[in-house]
Amino acid sequence: TQLLEQSPQFLSIQEGENLTVYCNSSSVFSSLQWYRQEPGEGPVLLVTVVTGGEVKKLKRLTFQFGDARKDSSLHITAAQPGDTGLYLCAGAEAGGTSYGKLTFGQGTILTVHP
Amino acid sequence: KAGVTQTPRYLIKTRGQQVTLSCSPISGHRSVSWYQQTPGQGLQFLFEYFSETQRNKGNFPGRFSGRQFSNSRSEMNVSTLELGDSALYLCASSQDRENTEAFFGQGTRLTVV
Repeated sequence: TQLLEQSPQFLSIQEGENLTVYCNSSSVFSSLQWYRQEPGEGPVLLVTVVTGGEVKKLKRLTFQFGDARKDSSLHITAAQPGDTGLYLCAGAEAGGTSYGKLTFGQGTILTVHP
Repeated sequence: KAGVTQTPRYLIKTRGQQVTLSCSPISGHRSVSWYQQTPGQGLQFLFEYFSETQRNKGNFPGRFSGRQFSNSRSEMNVSTLELGDSALYLCASSQDRENTEAFFGQGTRLTVV
């Protein structure tokens, strides 16, 4: 069973600060996705990283996939109150037998105070 | 393009009853996956369907079942409901066979009393 350890579990910061969320596993993933979820809503896909070492930027968000495709990070620059939410990483298992199954980290609850 | 649609949004059931949840994927997406989300366990994979065939199943009891129709719409059923089945049930659709990108619906909040 593949596991994804996400840290930290909680982050409470002031507007304008930078932060990084980590997602680590001992298993290899064929791709890794980051989602943001609001209370009572479904997760919204932010980005998918596929290639080891890949870096993707989405405005103030920077996503990185580890060289060995076992870990990933999400860095937010100059956080804003609108960034508040639950951030989830999810990995698709390498190999062709785990169709449709994403393994999720436990999530990071981010609160950005004005 | 319309997103993933789940109905109903909210449901209250009594222990022992059964429930059916519905999911309409994004047009053109043939893969539908279901997840259960609870505060204690996070998101856990239930099962996945592609072209009406269940390709993968998570570690849930047989009370949890699903199916997919020829138009890719999917339903999941939970029989003999237990209090612990209270959760947000999420459906996700993907376009390709490898499910590289999954798009989620808003979920169905099930409360068992």
